[in-house]
Amino acid sequence: EPEVTQTPSHQVTQMGQEVILHCVPISNHLYFYWYRQILGQKVEFLVSFYNNEISEKSEIFDDQFSVERPDGSNFTLKIRSTKLEDSAMYFCASSETDREVEPQHFGDGTRLSIL
Amino acid sequence: AQSVTQLGSHVSVSEGALVLLRCNYSSSVPPYLFWYVQYPNQGLQLLLKYTSAATLVKGINGFEAEFKKSETSFHLTKPSAHMSDAAEYFCAVRDNYGQNFVFGPGTRLSVLP
Repeated sequence: EPEVTQTPSHQVTQMGQEVILHCVPISNHLYFYWYRQILGQKVEFLVSFYNNEISEKSEIFDDQFSVERPDGSNFTLKIRSTKLEDSAMYFCASSETDREVEPQHFGDGTRLSIL
Repeated sequence: AQSVTQLGSHVSVSEGALVLLRCNYSSSVPPYLFWYVQYPNQGLQLLLKYTSAATLVKGINGFEAEFKKSETSFHLTKPSAHMSDAAEYFCAVRDNYGQNFVFGPGTRLSVLP
């Protein structure tokens, strides 16, 4: 079964540094998402992306965050100047359509640790 | 905006016992509801979804959930717990006004031998 793949599985970065998290969504999917899960807390929506532009974002997704689809397969999340509170598990997801009945398929996540 | 609550952040059952994980949603219009499971150090895997076709929904690994409009609930059950069921379970609803999912806080299921 096709999978969403995320790299790296664990990223350790100094506070203030830029970090890019990588995702390869399922190949025939058109809608892409990033979610965040701070340790011990619930999964929170960050951003959705379709047709090469952001379609929706949460209040968490401030100017420090950006997303990009640099080629036909990758979907990246960039944090420009990381803060300690950015430490979390970041999940990429994709779906074929945006129909409400459509589930989103999640990757295994990237654990981001900010020192 | 939609929201879901999950009563019980941690549930422990004995192997072979009934599993009941609770989920309630807040919406005047029945939403589309999902259950996801997260095994340690893994991502979220879809267990099952409610799409209004049937109130009792069967999912993978022997899990099922029943949609009850009168109770605004979508509880997850499994007749007999297995050690491999130990994981975090999240109830989720599709936001009415957007494409994103709104997740509940999760319930950690422990299965005791």
